[in-house]
Amino acid sequence: DAGVIQSPRHEVTEMGQEVTLRCKPISGHDYLFWYRQTMMRGLELLIYFNNNVPIDDSGMPEDRFSAKMPNASFSTLKIQPSEPRDSAVYFCASTLQSRLVGGTQYFGPGTRLTVL
Amino acid sequence: DQQVKQNSPSLSVQEGRISILNCDYTNSMFDYFLWYKKYPAEGPTFLISISSIKDKNEDGRFTVFLNKSAKHLSLHIVPSQPGDSAVYFCAARINSGNTPLVFGKGTRLSVIA
Repeated sequence: DAGVIQSPRHEVTEMGQEVTLRCKPISGHDYLFWYRQTMMRGLELLIYFNNNVPIDDSGMPEDRFSAKMPNASFSTLKIQPSEPRDSAVYFCASTLQSRLVGGTQYFGPGTRLTVL
Repeated sequence: DQQVKQNSPSLSVQEGRISILNCDYTNSMFDYFLWYKKYPAEGPTFLISISSIKDKNEDGRFTVFLNKSAKHLSLHIVPSQPGDSAVYFCAARINSGNTPLVFGKGTRLSVIA
């Protein structure tokens, strides 16, 4: 089992540019979560999907953020246009519905985004 | 409004001694609690959990205690080892509602040899 895969691991971009973060969940998992980690706010849930359908996007900070899950093995988080305050580590996590009752989520290694 | 609070951003402990990490929550609907451990440049990994029907759960050197009346839980690591140095996140959820986890801001534990 390869675990949750995220790409790129590091992204440096300039303010105003579009950024796309990618995630491949663990095969067979039916929930996918996007989190953002900052020193000030810790781990914040941005959005989560169940069976590829967005369930709750209330954590998405602004309309500049969007997320898609076109199929069970792939999701993207896009920021357009990016701003320096978007600099953070973005994590993707997945879980099986049966395990959601226990709450155990499996995290990817994260993408460290720096917006200059 | 932080529903899960870890008021100590950092903690230093000597190797072999006990590490105690604390977590408070405000939502009385939470009934399942977890601790995650995070090393630099890695994602958080699940460490230990406890249901609200229990007040203690033990797994090797790690024990989680839950005090529902105080809305407080703690993670004890005995004995602490240098490899335990990491950021520890407390998380909570409402088990029956298929709701996602709510995380605290984390506590950075440093175990000094």
